[in-house]
Amino acid sequence: DAGITQSPRYKITETGRQVTLMCHQTWSHSYMFWYRQDLGHGLRLIYYSAAADITDKGEVPDGYVVSRSKTENFPLTLESATRSQTSVYFCASSEVLDEQFFGPGTRLTVL
Amino acid sequence: EDKVVQSPLSLVVHEGDTVTLNCSYEVTNFRSLLWYKQEKKAPTFLFMLTSSGIEKKSGRLSSILDKKELFSILNITATQTGDSAVYLCAVEGGSNYKLTFGKGTLLTVNP
Repeated sequence: DAGITQSPRYKITETGRQVTLMCHQTWSHSYMFWYRQDLGHGLRLIYYSAAADITDKGEVPDGYVVSRSKTENFPLTLESATRSQTSVYFCASSEVLDEQFFGPGTRLTVL
Repeated sequence: EDKVVQSPLSLVVHEGDTVTLNCSYEVTNFRSLLWYKQEKKAPTFLFMLTSSGIEKKSGRLSSILDKKELFSILNITATQTGDSAVYLCAVEGGSNYKLTFGKGTLLTVNP
């Protein structure tokens, strides 16, 4: 199916565990983004990528790692999950000077 | 640091009312301003504005950008209950293509 997908859609984990959230897009968009959305903060950029093997930090990168070995995939890893990382995570993709298309989101709970 | 401020933070109206949502911004190297609608899922794109004074319109929704005064408004006429959502304003700027989001306006339309 064309579009942008995220997996898993829901995840419960424990403090200290490593968690990887997956993002896949079929449009071959150059840019991909990871946001977290929390009450009172809106959408905040974690990391973004301008192309394969090019990534950069956003507003709130601490505790997260990304990679982009292929254009279509942009996984986000929480190396040692903390309760403050409980959030809804959105992946997005776009071409230059175009709208960002958002994935359906992953709701992550860290106990 | 780029900043986007939306007002009001929340708004309750009756069906048929007209509403105006505001978005002001401070960003280096402004490129575009985008409006998104978010119901209980991922944000969906409404408008992208790049030039001052040009109104973008889609049905009952319209938006205009004032690049001199650094703000945009989103108008919704003849509101319906289905317009109930969070409306997000985002600005693209800087040396890359990151979006900075405001915290959103929660619109509730009562029958």
